[in-house]
Amino acid sequence: QKEVEQNSGPLSVPEGAIASLNCTYSDRGSQSFFWYRQYSGKSPELIMSIYSNGDKEDGRFTAQLNKASQYVSLLIRDSQPSDSATYLCAVTPSGGSYIPTFGRGTSLIVHP
Amino acid sequence: GAVVSQHPSWVICKSGTSVKIECRSLDFQATTMFWYRQFPKQSLMLMATSNEGSKATYEQGVEKDKFLINHASLTLSTLTVTSAHPEDSSFYICSARVGYPDRLNTEAFFGQGTRLTVV
Repeated sequence: QKEVEQNSGPLSVPEGAIASLNCTYSDRGSQSFFWYRQYSGKSPELIMSIYSNGDKEDGRFTAQLNKASQYVSLLIRDSQPSDSATYLCAVTPSGGSYIPTFGRGTSLIVHP
Repeated sequence: GAVVSQHPSWVICKSGTSVKIECRSLDFQATTMFWYRQFPKQSLMLMATSNEGSKATYEQGVEKDKFLINHASLTLSTLTVTSAHPEDSSFYICSARVGYPDRLNTEAFFGQGTRLTVV
């Protein structure tokens, strides 16, 4: 079974710090990787996608992918209280179905 | 970004009745839509994958006769919860994928979700 693992947290960081969220996946042939943010009571919102090894930056967010080690991470610089949410990692596995597999999410709390 | 509209955002229904939830891609054609259910403080659970013009593929354990999915056009998919019971109360969320799936085009965007309460 293809799995995506995340630490459920909560991860607590002070305002202005860097929040580091990690995700590992079991399917070595996975092709696409996504980070979603989900506020309590709301649906997930896509914030980053990454397809090749290395870093991808978008504003305060940086996604990092290491296919050899089978992990993908999300860094949030200058964390704000409004970043407090659950962050879901999603991985599109090999095999051609392109059905994303979601992790259980990491709860992030940014305290003032 | 791509916009997915889900309606209604919340609904309360009596036990035994049916509820229809609509999911529309507003500014793109969605060949594939996903339906999820999420219970409080739990992860997303994929219920079914819906491809335009064909029957939905249900995940193991999801009753296809209870959760009817129709994907009649490239911009609309519907989920009907038939003969709803209190245990069906949950947060139902649709997700639509932009374009045809290939290695670099598999981003999926979520609707706002529908909170169903069966009394």
